[in-house]
Amino acid sequence: GDSVTQMEGPVTLSEEAFLTINCTYTATGYPSLFWYVQYPGEGLQLLLKATKADDKGSNKGFEATYRKETTSFHLEKGSVQVSDSAVYFCALLLAGGTSYGKLTFGQGTILTVHP
Amino acid sequence: GAVVSQHPSWVICKSGTSVKIECRSLDFQATTMFWYRQFPKQSLMLMATSNEGSKATYEQGVEKDKFLINHASLTLSTLTVTSAHPEDSSFYICSASPRGETQYFGPGTRLLVL
Repeated sequence: GDSVTQMEGPVTLSEEAFLTINCTYTATGYPSLFWYVQYPGEGLQLLLKATKADDKGSNKGFEATYRKETTSFHLEKGSVQVSDSAVYFCALLLAGGTSYGKLTFGQGTILTVHP
Repeated sequence: GAVVSQHPSWVICKSGTSVKIECRSLDFQATTMFWYRQFPKQSLMLMATSNEGSKATYEQGVEKDKFLINHASLTLSTLTVTSAHPEDSSFYICSASPRGETQYFGPGTRLLVL
């Protein structure tokens, strides 16, 4: 079945450090890929997305590139801030079949950024 | 744009009572809404998918008589936890999707059953 695997956390960084959170996927079709962020006590916010191979999604300094050859969608940010501390979820969405419209989530990665 | 609200944001109830949670898409019409459950420090578990005007599709292992879902309009879906028990305490999150594309999430409802 379809699945998403994220690097295990928690990830702890100092402010202005470089961030990478790995995400790989398994899918039978051609999924769209997403990164969502969840701040403490809140729902999920869409951070960025990519709908086809080689697309790069970007937002608020974060970016991720859809790599079909490695089935990956790693999240990166050049310089993290304390306010980036949150849980990050990688997810895939298949466009058709019985899983139409359903998101498959990774397990989430907790990021803590210290001043 | 693409704002989804949930009400209430938190609720405490006695065991055996029923609780209704509303999910609204504020600035778009949602042909499909999803209900998730999230346990502390865990990922989201999809409970059910609801399409406007039709019965919800429940995921395996989710009791449809326990978690009643109604999607009466293109902007409103409700989840009713019937005869709630302490094990139903959780964080419930809805999402709404226009035309089966990107899902936009509500802020969540924290339920505590005493």
